[in-house]
Amino acid sequence: DAMVIQNPRYQVTQFGKPVTLSCSQTLNHNVMYWYQQKSSQAPKLLFHYYDKDFNNEADTPDNFQSRRPNTSFCFLDIRSPGLGDAAMYLCATSRVGVTDTQYFGPGTRLTVL
Amino acid sequence: AQSVTQLDSQVPVFEEAPVELRCNYSSSVSVYLFWYVQYPNQGLQLLLKYLSGSTLVKGINGFEAEFNKSQTSFHLRKPSVHISDTAEYFCALGRGGGFKTIFGAGTRLFVKA
Repeated sequence: DAMVIQNPRYQVTQFGKPVTLSCSQTLNHNVMYWYQQKSSQAPKLLFHYYDKDFNNEADTPDNFQSRRPNTSFCFLDIRSPGLGDAAMYLCATSRVGVTDTQYFGPGTRLTVL
Repeated sequence: AQSVTQLDSQVPVFEEAPVELRCNYSSSVSVYLFWYVQYPNQGLQLLLKYLSGSTLVKGINGFEAEFNKSQTSFHLRKPSVHISDTAEYFCALGRGGGFKTIFGAGTRLFVKA
């Protein structure tokens, strides 16, 4: 009965080779978030979708893009991964805004060689 | 600007002892406050949240936190910890009407037998 699913759990890519991470949810929540979490650091919000409305954080590099083709799915695209992009990427959902509980997926650990 | 400071990066404690994980926040507007737990290689899970009302908030797994507006603190407590409480704990804040949650750097709780 997993509610937020991330695939794959582990992803290895080469420097500069595009990579896509996937997130799906069974909660029918309006909001989906992508966070980057580097080792021993706090999760950092990259962007979120409210329904189809995309909201980019001001300090999110242009290298990171996202797509949300429908309510259930959201993708994180890294166009040209650098060594500094190696991290855990967490997807989360909530029904509406910040007062609602966010439900997190287990994360995808990205390694860049 | 809003910020969250977790005062201890690591807290070792013996099983069945009480524990307090400290969190201070900074904000010029009303905020909502959260504590999340992250077990190894997993996503974050909400322990408890303060939105309004009673300043003592009870959460899952026997945890509770107290909101102190004058001291801008939101410390997490548990009267008796178990080995299974070993995890990373994140304090976080959000602003009403928004979608961004700001996380503290985390406190690693290590429960020893």
